[in-house]
Amino acid sequence: NAGVTQTPKFRILKIGQSMTLQCTQDMNHNYMYWYRQDPGMGLKLIYYSVGAGITDKGEVPNGYNVSRSTTEDFPLRLELAAPSQTSVYFCASSYVTGTGGHGELFFGEGSRLTVL
Amino acid sequence: AQSVTQPDIHITVSEGASLELRCNYSYGATPYLFWYVQSPGQGLQLLLKYFSGDTLVQGIKGFEAEFKRSQSSFNLRKPSVHWSDAAEYFCAVGGNAGNMLTFGGGTRLMVKP
Repeated sequence: NAGVTQTPKFRILKIGQSMTLQCTQDMNHNYMYWYRQDPGMGLKLIYYSVGAGITDKGEVPNGYNVSRSTTEDFPLRLELAAPSQTSVYFCASSYVTGTGGHGELFFGEGSRLTVL
Repeated sequence: AQSVTQPDIHITVSEGASLELRCNYSYGATPYLFWYVQSPGQGLQLLLKYFSGDTLVQGIKGFEAEFKRSQSSFNLRKPSVHWSDAAEYFCAVGGNAGNMLTFGGGTRLMVKP
């Protein structure tokens, strides 16, 4: 099993450009997440999905969009990139039971994005 | 709203010394608590978790953590640190509603030879 795979690992964007960060998991997890990590700030939740076709905003959703057409894939779209979106982005997945119990989050290796 | 505070941004310990990383949380009900470790350039890996039951939980790599409800704390400990433990450590809290975790700001551990 590959686990959670993110691409690209590094990307430099110019202000106003758009791009998509790809995330795929092969563990048949129902929940998927996008976090951003900034120095000293921990991880902030951008968007999450509880299953195919269902997404919801996290703590810092502005400037981003997501979709979940399959269980495996959860791409993150940046529209009109801004310097404030310079960060390291992590995709994660977990299996949550019907009772809502927390499962372990499995993380990808991250995508470092710089907006100049 | 739930929150997590890790008061120590950086900690340096000598190899073989004991370690305690602090974590304080705010949550309105019984929390689900986690410690994750992040090595440079890597994603986060789960060290241990507390859901219920025994308040002293054992994790991987010789780590343990103790849940103290009265102090709203979930400190991470290791009796003898190895150079390979140098990394960033994150405490996280979540609840029963969905599975959304809130992470602390992290503590970067450096190990002196």
